[in-house]
Amino acid sequence: DAGITQSPRHKVTETGTPVTLRCHQTENHRYMYWYRQDPGHGLRLIHYSYGVKDTDKGEVSDGYSVSRSKTEDFLLTLESATSSQTSVYFCAIRGGDSYEQYFGPGTRLTVT
Amino acid sequence: DAKTTQPTSMDCAEGRAANLPCNHSTISGNEYVYWYRQIHSQGPQYIIHGLKNNETNEMASLIITEDRKSSTLILPHATLRDTAVYYCIASYQKVTFGTGTKLQVIP
Repeated sequence: DAGITQSPRHKVTETGTPVTLRCHQTENHRYMYWYRQDPGHGLRLIHYSYGVKDTDKGEVSDGYSVSRSKTEDFLLTLESATSSQTSVYFCAIRGGDSYEQYFGPGTRLTVT
Repeated sequence: DAKTTQPTSMDCAEGRAANLPCNHSTISGNEYVYWYRQIHSQGPQYIIHGLKNNETNEMASLIITEDRKSSTLILPHATLRDTAVYYCIASYQKVTFGTGTKLQVIP
């Protein structure tokens, strides 16, 4: 299995509070991705990174920011959490010379 | 990314081959066909991908039609642990998931 972990695995927070989710990899892969998964929507791409300090938006990026200061870590921040951001968040990684992505175990976030 | 169409759900008897179809009639020349699956609430798992030739690995086989407008994922001997949602994706680099096919393997 690809060395990819996510923390925390579960979090409950209140509306309006900032939240940061961490994705950590030990594979030295170039690409990292954040998705959210909601019933009836499959997985939707939030942001992705193609290198240290290089990031770009996905299809549902509003309300989210990301940072990647080193290869192994990709952080997803909800500056002011809203109930619509209650979801399961998955991180994925991909090597530069391959097309397949490997996913982490997910973080279940509940915003009350 | 090309749009893909998959059946919402399928059943397969344990030990039999599971054949999961996918239509991607608008696929462009540089887009690959990928298959992933997601077991219950786990993270999606990569299965296989191909461009135009048929592919086989330890998990499955991928059959792509000559015109590349459709493909079939084959699990040769389905087990109960293959019960999952299977996603077919046609993409160059970004991977865009639809809602997939829910495969139920029946004892």
